[in-house]
Order: sequence, then C-alpha cells, then structure tokens
Amino acid sequence: AQTVTQSQPEMSVQEAETVTLSCTYDTSESDYYLFWYKQPPSRQMILVIRQEAYKQQNATENRFSVNFQKAAKSFSLKISDSQLGDAAMYFCAYRSGNNDMRFGAGTRLTVKP
Amino acid sequence: GAVVSQHPSWVICKSGTSVKIECRSLDFQATTMFWYRQFPKQSLMLMATSNEGSKATYEQGVEKDKFLINHASLTLSTLTVTSAHPEDSSFYICSASKIIGTAGPMWHQPQHFGDGTRLSIL
Repeated sequence: AQTVTQSQPEMSVQEAETVTLSCTYDTSESDYYLFWYKQPPSRQMILVIRQEAYKQQNATENRFSVNFQKAAKSFSLKISDSQLGDAAMYFCAYRSGNNDMRFGAGTRLTVKP
Repeated sequence: GAVVSQHPSWVICKSGTSVKIECRSLDFQATTMFWYRQFPKQSLMLMATSNEGSKATYEQGVEKDKFLINHASLTLSTLTVTSAHPEDSSFYICSASKIIGTAGPMWHQPQHFGDGTRLSIL
C-alpha cells in the first residue's frame, strides 16, 4: 500500500520569506502523480501544484515550486515570497493507477506579518 | 471549469436519523467520484469510490450498510449516513475527476473537490 508522510505538523514563515514543506512517500509503482493541496480555514481543498512521476523537470506555479526526487521518493513544496493568504493546512497527496488518492497528515503553515 | 458542488454545507440532526449528502460535478462529467471523511485536525481519509452505474467500492473498515453511496448519473453521487450517531460527526468531502476523451488514464487528471459538508449529530 502506498503511504504518504509529512513529518512537519507545523511550520512558520515570515511574510515575504521562503519556506519548504517536506513530503515523502512509499510506492512500488513507476508511474504516478503527486500533488500538493492547500486547505484554508474554510476547509475547501485547493490544488496548488502537481507533478507527474515520469517528468524529471520540477513543476512550478508562480511562487510555488516542488523539488521532486524520484529515487529518494521525496516531494517537497517551496513557497517563495510568502503571503499572509498562504496560511493554511497543506496536504501532500499521491495518486496512481488504482485511481484513489492518498494524503499525508498535513502541515499547518503560519505566516507571520 | 471543473466545479464540484456539495450540498448541504452544514447539517445538524438528531441521533438515529439518516442524512443525505449530494455531490455534483457542475460543468463536467465524472464516471468516478470519491468520498472522504476528515476528523478535526486530521487528514482526509478515503471512505469509498463511487462508480456511475455500479456499486461503490469501500475502503477497509468502512461499513457499506452505514454509508450508502449512489452514483445515479455522470454528474451526481450521493452519500447517505444511515441511523447517524454522534461518532459519525465529521467533515465529509467529495471529489471527482473529469473524463477527457482518451487523453491518458483517468487518474492522470487531478481530482476536483467539493467544499465539504460538516455533519453534526446530537
């Protein structure tokens, strides 16, 4: 079974600074997708970024980028120029051919003004 | 596009009653929808996979007679919590993936989430 581990229950960053959220996963599959979702207090799940396992190039979306290390099964999220609106729970997720999605335990990000 | 609507957003009911939650894909079709449960300060846990026109697939430990899932069309799935008890109080979220022709496996498409339903059983 695939597992997703987020080892940082809470993280804090100063506004305008950069923060990296960690995620590791365990799988025997060779083709899969990885995602980062943001869940603000409204509890809506918002897709931040996704990475296809067969692509070596790290995905980027404006201030959000990932460091995907397939051999190490690591998928960290970097948030640059942090903004107050980035404060939320962040979930790392894995999805493969059996179609369901597995989530990590989440990291609560606080942004200090 | 890719909007998933979930209704109701919040429901409070007495113990022993049944509650139905609807999940609709508003601007796309989805043969498969997923139901998750999220307890406070915890992650999303997959409860079941809802397949249009067939029976749902439940995760281990989820009672299928307790959580009835119906996927009547390509745009609607419902979750009914039968004879609800206080321990069923939780946040329930659905998600769906688009069908995009033959452009790769469906699981290549991101899941789009509804806004969730907060269920409180008194």
